[in-house]
Amino acid sequence: SQTIHQWPATLVQPVGSPLSLECTVEGTSNPNLYWYRQAAGRGLQLLFYSVGIGQISSEVPQNLSASRPQDRQFILSSKKLLLSDSGFYLCAWSRTGYGYTFGSGTRLTVV
Amino acid sequence: GDSVTQMEGPVTLSEEAFLTINCTYTATGYPSLFWYVQYPGEGLQLLLKATKADDKGSNKGFEATYRKETTSFHLEKGSVQVSDSAVYFCALFRFQGAQKLVFGQGTRLTINP
Repeated sequence: SQTIHQWPATLVQPVGSPLSLECTVEGTSNPNLYWYRQAAGRGLQLLFYSVGIGQISSEVPQNLSASRPQDRQFILSSKKLLLSDSGFYLCAWSRTGYGYTFGSGTRLTVV
Repeated sequence: GDSVTQMEGPVTLSEEAFLTINCTYTATGYPSLFWYVQYPGEGLQLLLKATKADDKGSNKGFEATYRKETTSFHLEKGSVQVSDSAVYFCALFRFQGAQKLVFGQGTRLTINP
């Protein structure tokens, strides 16, 4: 069966510090991968998606970047966090015939 | 481009009340439509889905019908429980290309005993 792992679950980081959130998928190959963010009191915004290794598309200009070094690994990064980067980050994967599955999320608080 | 609009929240109801959360969409072609639920402190779970016009998705007493003529996918439940308190997201999805989910802004539902 397919599973998606996302960590850490909770993170508190100071302004200006770097960020690395990791997401891995098991049990499938060549999935589409996604990073979404949910800011406090707001809906879900697609940040990045990837249809293959090294292929990253950005939906919204921002202080974040994404990378896909392996087929089933998707990383969200920042060199210097801003207060506005606080939120709930969700990784997801999809593949034709499998629908869309979300990870459990990372709650990031920038202080 | 594609978009989804949900009714503004928060919505507060008493237990056993009837629930409707409105959702309308703008899209070309024939997207699939979904309702996701987010319980406090958790990620998103698929609640129900419909893949073509006039399909009715249902799960846990919730229902939604894909109405192409009104471009709507309203969520309903006949008798809500306290445990239904959560944030509900309507979304559309295309099985082409990057297969991006487009979400509505979410509706926070609180059920009082």
